[in-house]
Amino acid sequence: GENVEQHPSTLSVQEGDSAVIKCTYSDSASNYFPWYKQELGKGPQLIIDIRSNVGEKKDQRIAVTLNKTAKHFSLHITETQPEDSAVYFCAASRRGGADGLTFGKGTHLIIQP
Amino acid sequence: NAGVTQTPKFQVLKTGQSMTLQCAQDMNHEYMSWYRQDPGMGLRLIHYSVGAGITDQGEVPNGYNVSRSTTEDFPLRLLSAAPSQTSVYFCASSSKGQGQAFFGQGTRLTVV
Repeated sequence: GENVEQHPSTLSVQEGDSAVIKCTYSDSASNYFPWYKQELGKGPQLIIDIRSNVGEKKDQRIAVTLNKTAKHFSLHITETQPEDSAVYFCAASRRGGADGLTFGKGTHLIIQP
Repeated sequence: NAGVTQTPKFQVLKTGQSMTLQCAQDMNHEYMSWYRQDPGMGLRLIHYSVGAGITDQGEVPNGYNVSRSTTEDFPLRLLSAAPSQTSVYFCASSSKGQGQAFFGQGTRLTVV
């Protein structure tokens, strides 16, 4: 089955700096790659996603890049703010999410004032 | 618009007891799934469903049963609870062709 590796497990950046979280996946048939943000005591919430026919997608301060050949995708957050502090998860799916998602183990992002 | 509703929010069980975690969505989504979240392990897929009457196993299905008799509901049953099933459980739903999964607020289960 699919295996998703996520790095780093903890990332501390100064407010206003950029943060980058990287994931690799094992199943070349995976075609849907979402990123989720989880705040303490809450369920994960989608922040951005990308499909395998697109190399990059941007939404304001957040962007995701996908390299299908290398089987890795990354989350980029620019101009970080205190409210960006949370745990971030990458995930992958073969059928656009129909058969569920395989998640990475998460990155705890800490924004230092 | 309630989205995905999970009940209960907290539950303590004794080893060997059975219970059902409820999940309901009001978005008419075709796809529903259950995950468990353990410290340092991320979220792992237990069971999923692509429509009423259709269910399949995920990565960690042992000890859990599901059924999907309606589009709205997807209950998760623990047949005989074990301490290893202590976890936070999340239900999610998504629309066919959209991909974006909406998650409930979770059920924190402790088995003693």
